[in-house]
Amino acid sequence: EVQLVESGGGLVQPGGSLRLSCAASGFTLSHYYMSWVRQTPGKGLEWVATINQYGDAKYYVDSVKGRFTISRDNAENSMSLQMNSLRAEDTALYYCARDSAWTNGYFDYWGQGTLLTVSS
Amino acid sequence: DVQMTQSPSSLSASVGDRVTITCRASQNIHTFLNWYQQKPGIAPKVLIYSASSLQSGVPSRFSGSGSGTDFTLTISSLQPEDFATYYCQQSYSTRSFGPGTKVHIK
Repeated sequence: EVQLVESGGGLVQPGGSLRLSCAASGFTLSHYYMSWVRQTPGKGLEWVATINQYGDAKYYVDSVKGRFTISRDNAENSMSLQMNSLRAEDTALYYCARDSAWTNGYFDYWGQGTLLTVSS
Repeated sequence: DVQMTQSPSSLSASVGDRVTITCRASQNIHTFLNWYQQKPGIAPKVLIYSASSLQSGVPSRFSGSGSGTDFTLTISSLQPEDFATYYCQQSYSTRSFGPGTKVHIK
């Protein structure tokens, strides 16, 4: 059974940093692109970042470029999102999602999400 | 960047109704369009990928159509478990989601 479990969320002050993690099981992580998607409480979904199978191609939404870094460790079956210079507008539930492909792909499995709150 | 819009933003319907939700892309995305269903407190679930392909395990009352910039999700006969929010998402250029359509009980 495919499982994705996020961790690392919490309360951070504006300008602070936090690292989210996603533990994957039930499939071979090295075969898949992986992504982070966030959802503001009560609002819609926003794609944040994607990393390819090898970790050498990374894609970000414009609003997080230069502040967030996506990474993966296939040997440890995990993916991470390092978030720096956090802003109030980064407050959201962050989902880890498996991406079926880069071109014409879709998010076929999702974790339960981890909540980030940026507030003083 | 590809911007996605959806209409309506919400709708009220009864069990058994045929429901249609529209998604529009700001540029040609061919058929690189997916549909998700989300219920409160639960992660989204993919229903349709590549505009018209039904994800394994999804009931056949769900169908998708369209190409280019205009797409449609249709629920042929709304069931009680279908009251949820529906999002479209493009994968032609990075990724982006539509704002969602909430389906309410009439």
